[in-house]
Amino acid sequence: QVQLVQSGSELKKPGASVKVSCKTSGYTFSNYAMNWVRQAPGQGLEWMGWINTYTGNPTYALDFTGRFVFSLDTSVSTAYLQISSLKDEDTAVYYCARGQGPGLPAVLNDYWGQGTLVTVSS
Amino acid sequence: EIMMTQSPATLSVSPGERATLSCRASQSVSSNLAWYQQKPGQPPRLLIYGASTRDTGIPARFSGSGSGTEFTLTISSLQSEDFAVYYCQQYNYWPPSTFGPGTKVDVK
Repeated sequence: QVQLVQSGSELKKPGASVKVSCKTSGYTFSNYAMNWVRQAPGQGLEWMGWINTYTGNPTYALDFTGRFVFSLDTSVSTAYLQISSLKDEDTAVYYCARGQGPGLPAVLNDYWGQGTLVTVSS
Repeated sequence: EIMMTQSPATLSVSPGERATLSCRASQSVSSNLAWYQQKPGQPPRLLIYGASTRDTGIPARFSGSGSGTEFTLTISSLQSEDFAVYYCQQYNYWPPSTFGPGTKVDVK
Protein backbone atom coordinates (compact mmCIF):
# COMPACT_ATOMS: atom_id res chain seq x y z
CA GLN A 1 0.00 0.00 0.00
CA VAL A 2 1.07 3.57 -0.62
CA GLN A 3 2.75 5.17 2.38
CA LEU A 4 4.43 8.49 3.00
CA VAL A 5 6.27 8.58 6.32
CA GLN A 6 7.71 11.87 7.49
CA SER A 7 10.47 12.59 9.97
CA GLY A 8 9.69 13.58 13.53
CA SER A 9 8.97 16.90 15.16
CA GLU A 10 11.69 19.52 15.29
CA LEU A 11 12.40 22.36 17.71
CA LYS A 12 14.69 24.98 16.26
CA LYS A 13 15.94 28.44 17.18
CA PRO A 14 15.39 31.41 14.90
CA GLY A 15 18.04 31.57 12.21
CA ALA A 16 18.68 27.84 12.21
CA SER A 17 17.86 25.39 9.42
CA VAL A 18 15.73 22.27 9.33
CA LYS A 19 15.38 19.40 6.88
CA VAL A 20 12.17 17.36 6.81
CA SER A 21 12.11 13.99 5.09
CA CYS A 22 9.25 12.14 3.44
CA LYS A 23 10.00 8.47 2.80
CA THR A 24 7.66 6.77 0.37
CA SER A 25 6.79 3.17 -0.35
CA GLY A 26 4.20 1.15 -2.22
CA TYR A 27 4.53 2.87 -5.57
CA THR A 28 7.12 3.92 -8.16
CA PHE A 29 8.53 7.11 -6.70
CA SER A 30 9.52 8.82 -9.94
CA ASN A 31 6.11 8.30 -11.54
CA TYR A 32 4.28 10.73 -9.27
CA ALA A 33 4.81 14.35 -8.30
CA MET A 34 5.49 15.36 -4.71
CA ASN A 35 3.88 18.40 -3.15
CA TRP A 36 4.54 20.22 0.10
CA VAL A 37 1.76 21.88 2.11
CA ARG A 38 2.05 24.02 5.22
CA GLN A 39 -0.47 24.35 8.02
CA ALA A 40 0.21 26.96 10.69
CA PRO A 41 -1.29 26.30 14.13
CA GLY A 42 -5.07 26.51 13.97
CA GLN A 43 -4.96 27.65 10.36
CA GLY A 44 -5.80 26.27 6.93
CA LEU A 45 -3.75 24.58 4.24
CA GLU A 46 -1.18 26.48 2.21
CA TRP A 47 0.34 24.98 -0.94
CA MET A 48 4.09 25.51 -0.90
CA GLY A 49 4.98 23.98 -4.25
CA TRP A 50 5.89 20.71 -5.87
CA ILE A 51 8.82 18.79 -7.25
CA ASN A 52 8.91 16.68 -10.38
CA THR A 53 10.27 13.40 -9.07
CA TYR A 54 11.37 12.32 -12.57
CA THR A 55 13.40 15.41 -13.46
CA GLY A 56 14.02 16.81 -9.98
CA ASN A 57 12.70 20.20 -11.08
CA PRO A 58 11.04 22.10 -8.21
CA THR A 59 8.34 24.78 -8.44
CA TYR A 60 7.72 27.08 -5.50
CA ALA A 61 4.73 29.22 -4.62
CA LEU A 62 5.67 32.89 -4.36
CA ASP A 63 5.63 32.93 -0.56
CA PHE A 64 8.07 30.03 -0.47
CA THR A 65 10.92 31.22 -2.63
CA GLY A 66 14.41 31.82 -1.28
CA ARG A 67 14.53 29.99 2.06
CA PHE A 68 12.70 26.82 1.05
CA VAL A 69 14.28 24.03 -0.97
CA PHE A 70 12.71 20.81 -2.23
CA SER A 71 15.02 17.93 -3.03
CA LEU A 72 14.98 14.20 -3.68
CA ASP A 73 16.95 11.05 -3.10
CA THR A 74 15.44 8.70 -5.64
CA SER A 75 17.68 5.82 -4.48
CA VAL A 76 15.63 5.67 -1.26
CA SER A 77 12.34 7.06 -2.66
CA THR A 78 12.51 10.04 -0.34
CA ALA A 79 11.65 13.71 -0.74
CA TYR A 80 13.04 16.48 1.42
CA LEU A 81 12.03 19.97 2.46
CA GLN A 82 14.78 22.21 3.78
CA ILE A 83 14.03 25.55 5.39
CA SER A 84 16.87 27.93 6.18
CA SER A 85 17.03 31.10 8.29
CA LEU A 86 14.03 29.95 10.29
CA LYS A 87 11.62 32.55 11.63
CA ASP A 88 8.99 32.32 14.35
CA GLU A 89 6.29 32.42 11.67
CA ASP A 90 7.65 29.22 10.10
CA THR A 91 6.18 27.33 13.06
CA ALA A 92 3.75 24.93 11.42
CA VAL A 93 3.00 21.38 10.42
CA TYR A 94 4.55 20.56 7.08
CA TYR A 95 2.99 17.85 4.94
CA CYS A 96 4.31 16.01 1.93
CA ALA A 97 1.56 14.86 -0.40
CA ARG A 98 1.70 12.71 -3.50
CA GLY A 99 0.54 14.36 -6.68
CA GLN A 100 -0.51 12.72 -9.87
CA GLY A 101 1.52 11.24 -12.69
CA PRO A 102 2.41 12.54 -16.15
CA GLY A 103 -0.50 14.13 -17.96
CA LEU A 104 -2.50 14.48 -14.77
CA PRO A 105 -2.61 17.37 -12.27
CA ALA A 106 0.63 17.27 -10.30
CA VAL A 107 -0.99 19.23 -7.49
CA LEU A 108 -3.95 16.91 -6.88
CA ASN A 109 -2.92 15.10 -3.73
CA ASP A 110 -4.20 11.59 -3.10
CA TYR A 111 -1.83 10.39 -0.35
CA TRP A 112 -0.39 12.47 2.45
CA GLY A 113 2.35 12.07 5.00
CA GLN A 114 1.42 12.28 8.65
CA GLY A 115 2.91 15.75 8.95
CA THR A 116 6.00 17.12 10.67
CA LEU A 117 5.67 19.82 13.31
CA VAL A 118 8.44 22.38 13.09
CA THR A 119 8.53 24.73 16.05
CA VAL A 120 10.72 27.82 15.88
CA SER A 121 11.35 29.40 19.26
CA SER A 122 14.19 31.06 21.07
CA GLU B 1 -3.69 33.75 -8.23
CA ILE B 2 -7.16 32.27 -7.90
CA MET B 3 -8.79 32.97 -4.55
CA MET B 4 -11.03 30.35 -3.01
CA THR B 5 -13.74 31.13 -0.48
CA GLN B 6 -15.85 28.69 1.53
CA SER B 7 -19.10 29.11 3.37
CA PRO B 8 -20.16 28.84 6.03
CA ALA B 9 -17.07 28.96 8.20
CA THR B 10 -18.80 26.65 10.68
CA LEU B 11 -21.76 24.39 10.07
CA SER B 12 -23.56 22.86 13.03
CA VAL B 13 -25.42 19.70 12.09
CA SER B 14 -27.08 16.87 13.98
CA PRO B 15 -26.04 13.28 13.21
CA GLY B 16 -28.20 11.88 10.43
CA GLU B 17 -28.88 15.27 8.93
CA ARG B 18 -27.74 16.56 5.56
CA ALA B 19 -24.82 18.98 5.31
CA THR B 20 -24.23 21.30 2.38
CA LEU B 21 -20.89 23.08 2.08
CA SER B 22 -20.07 25.73 -0.54
CA CYS B 23 -16.87 26.71 -2.28
CA ARG B 24 -16.42 29.59 -4.66
CA ALA B 25 -13.52 30.46 -6.96
CA SER B 26 -12.56 34.01 -7.95
CA GLN B 27 -12.56 32.91 -11.58
CA SER B 28 -13.58 29.80 -13.44
CA VAL B 29 -11.63 26.66 -12.57
CA SER B 30 -13.72 24.46 -14.84
CA SER B 31 -14.21 21.16 -12.96
CA ASN B 32 -10.68 21.11 -11.55
CA LEU B 33 -11.80 21.24 -7.95
CA ALA B 34 -11.06 18.83 -5.11
CA TRP B 35 -12.49 18.43 -1.62
CA TYR B 36 -10.49 17.22 1.38
CA GLN B 37 -11.53 16.22 4.88
CA GLN B 38 -9.24 16.86 7.84
CA LYS B 39 -9.74 15.61 11.38
CA PRO B 40 -7.75 16.97 14.33
CA GLY B 41 -4.18 15.72 14.40
CA GLN B 42 -4.53 14.00 11.03
CA PRO B 43 -3.47 14.89 7.49
CA PRO B 44 -6.10 15.85 4.95
CA ARG B 45 -7.87 13.06 3.09
CA LEU B 46 -8.92 13.39 -0.52
CA LEU B 47 -12.68 12.96 -0.86
CA ILE B 48 -13.64 14.33 -4.26
CA TYR B 49 -11.76 15.37 -7.38
CA GLY B 50 -12.93 16.63 -10.74
CA ALA B 51 -15.66 18.42 -8.74
CA SER B 52 -17.79 15.27 -8.52
CA THR B 53 -15.70 12.07 -8.60
CA ARG B 54 -15.30 10.29 -5.30
CA ASP B 55 -11.82 9.01 -4.52
CA THR B 56 -11.35 5.31 -3.89
CA GLY B 57 -13.08 4.13 -0.75
CA ILE B 58 -15.04 7.30 -0.10
CA PRO B 59 -18.59 6.53 1.02
CA ALA B 60 -21.44 7.35 -1.32
CA ARG B 61 -22.94 9.77 1.22
CA PHE B 62 -20.32 12.25 0.04
CA SER B 63 -21.14 13.95 -3.25
CA GLY B 64 -19.73 16.92 -5.09
CA SER B 65 -21.26 19.14 -7.72
CA GLY B 66 -20.67 22.35 -9.61
CA SER B 67 -18.35 23.78 -12.22
CA GLY B 68 -16.88 27.13 -13.13
CA THR B 69 -16.87 29.18 -9.96
CA GLU B 70 -19.52 27.57 -7.73
CA PHE B 71 -19.13 24.18 -6.07
CA THR B 72 -20.95 22.18 -3.42
CA LEU B 73 -20.02 19.27 -1.20
CA THR B 74 -23.02 17.43 0.21
CA ILE B 75 -22.93 14.86 2.99
CA SER B 76 -26.31 13.19 2.75
CA SER B 77 -26.58 11.80 6.28
CA LEU B 78 -23.88 12.85 8.69
CA GLN B 79 -22.14 10.11 10.62
CA SER B 80 -20.13 10.70 13.78
CA GLU B 81 -16.88 10.25 11.87
CA ASP B 82 -17.79 13.04 9.44
CA PHE B 83 -17.37 15.86 11.94
CA ALA B 84 -14.23 17.52 10.66
CA VAL B 85 -12.92 20.46 8.64
CA TYR B 86 -13.46 20.40 4.88
CA TYR B 87 -11.26 22.21 2.38
CA CYS B 88 -11.70 22.81 -1.32
CA GLN B 89 -8.71 23.15 -3.64
CA GLN B 90 -8.52 24.38 -7.21
CA TYR B 91 -6.00 22.81 -9.55
CA ASN B 92 -7.01 24.45 -12.81
CA TYR B 93 -4.54 27.32 -12.77
CA TRP B 94 -1.28 26.54 -11.02
CA PRO B 95 1.15 27.45 -9.74
CA PRO B 96 -0.06 28.23 -7.29
CA SER B 97 -2.71 25.73 -6.44
CA THR B 98 -4.96 27.29 -3.82
CA PHE B 99 -7.07 25.99 -0.98
CA GLY B 100 -10.16 27.52 0.52
CA PRO B 101 -10.09 28.56 4.22
CA GLY B 102 -12.15 25.55 5.25
CA THR B 103 -15.58 24.79 6.70
CA LYS B 104 -15.77 23.18 10.12
CA VAL B 105 -18.66 20.76 10.51
CA ASP B 106 -19.50 20.30 14.17
CA VAL B 107 -22.21 18.71 16.24
CA LYS B 108 -25.38 20.68 16.74
